[in-house]
Amino acid sequence: DAGITQSPRHKVTETGTPVTLRCHQTENHRYMYWYRQDPGHGLRLIHYSYGVKDTDKGEVSDGYSVSRSKTEDFLLTLESATSSQTSVYFCAIRGDRGLVGETQYFGPGTRLLVL
Amino acid sequence: GENVEQHPSTLSVQEGDSAVIKCTYSDSASNYFPWYKQELGKGPQLIIDIRSNVGEKKDQRIAVTLNKTAKHFSLHITETQPEDSAVYFCAASTWANNLFFGTGTRLTVIP
Repeated sequence: DAGITQSPRHKVTETGTPVTLRCHQTENHRYMYWYRQDPGHGLRLIHYSYGVKDTDKGEVSDGYSVSRSKTEDFLLTLESATSSQTSVYFCAIRGDRGLVGETQYFGPGTRLLVL
Repeated sequence: GENVEQHPSTLSVQEGDSAVIKCTYSDSASNYFPWYKQELGKGPQLIIDIRSNVGEKKDQRIAVTLNKTAKHFSLHITETQPEDSAVYFCAASTWANNLFFGTGTRLTVIP
């Protein structure tokens, strides 16, 4: 998985509790992404980062926040988890060689169940 | 934003036959089109990609074609094998490099 780890790999939590998912890379890539995957929707971008402390929203960012204090770590936080946030969450990374179309590499995923 | 549609949602083929998955996109500015394969319990893995200055690209049994005028691109897998069974996703991106994904195709290769 291209030097990407995600933790935890599985989590069960209750509605209203805060949850933080971690993505760690060893590739020193500039860009990092958080996606969620749901049946019938494919992968949808939640937030992304283009450098330390530089983040921006994706298409489904409501209810999520992110932080990136180091190049290698990108955290996704659900401030108050809801059942609609039950999903599989994937982190992705990509380099920045200035080319048209840089490959994104995906981590193994975190399966989150909100009861 | 970009809208990517993918068909079919499920596809079953006999081993040795060919499989074709089709995607359309809405944003004419999109210029990069990767295809990912996802096996059960794993993250998506890039299998092939194509940029807008190319009409076709091949890698062994896998090929991708791009029609910029019609805004559609397709994945072709020849001589399918049971290990090709997986979910396949197409995606499109513009210069900003944020990917927009199709909804996936579950390919089953029947031995």
